[in-house]
Amino acid sequence: GQQVMQIPQYQHVQEGEDFTTYCNSSTTLSNIQWYKQRPGGHPVFLIQLVKSGEVKKQKRLTFQFGEAKKNSSLHITATQTTDVGTYFCAGPDSNYQLIWGAGTKLIIKP
Amino acid sequence: SQTIHQWPATLVQPVGSPLSLECTVEGTSNPNLYWYRQAAGRGLQLLFYSVGIGQISSEVPQNLSASRPQDRQFILSSKKLLLSDSGFYLCAWSVAQGWPSSGNTIYFGEGSWLTVV
Repeated sequence: GQQVMQIPQYQHVQEGEDFTTYCNSSTTLSNIQWYKQRPGGHPVFLIQLVKSGEVKKQKRLTFQFGEAKKNSSLHITATQTTDVGTYFCAGPDSNYQLIWGAGTKLIIKP
Repeated sequence: SQTIHQWPATLVQPVGSPLSLECTVEGTSNPNLYWYRQAAGRGLQLLFYSVGIGQISSEVPQNLSASRPQDRQFILSSKKLLLSDSGFYLCAWSVAQGWPSSGNTIYFGEGSWLTVV
């Protein structure tokens, strides 16, 4: 069946360093969404990308959707403690149900 | 605006006891409704989804069940809990497929932490 792979599973960074998580789908996606889950909290929608090659920015966060609409990335510049959490990507299957990546946990080193 | 409420927030239940988690959505009609489970430090596992009253689809076999007695109410139940049922349960909704503003975005409730002892 359709799969969405997300790497890495964890990323430890010093505060101020950059962070990137990658998402790859086994099939072409109509759109891809990104969510953030703070520790102890629930996932919150961040953004949706729809167009091939699309790039969107939210302050220090940059989201990209690949030309083939099968991969995506989230890059955070100069991480802050407020960025801590797990970032999930998700894309719809043929029944419009979201298939989720396993998530990348961003950990800030003390 | 739309809101989603889920309760209880936390519960500790003995093995073999029943379970009932409830979720309601306000501010929208005919939403798609979902129950997800998240084991500690893990990803999101879809348990059930519903596109209408009385319509439930199960994604994985388990000893849990779901019901949708009203348009904006979704209930997760079990007759006898297992230790492996422990986890973080999330109710969620999305706009029904086909609406102009859809796009499958999922909006989650605050979640319910279940510990089976």
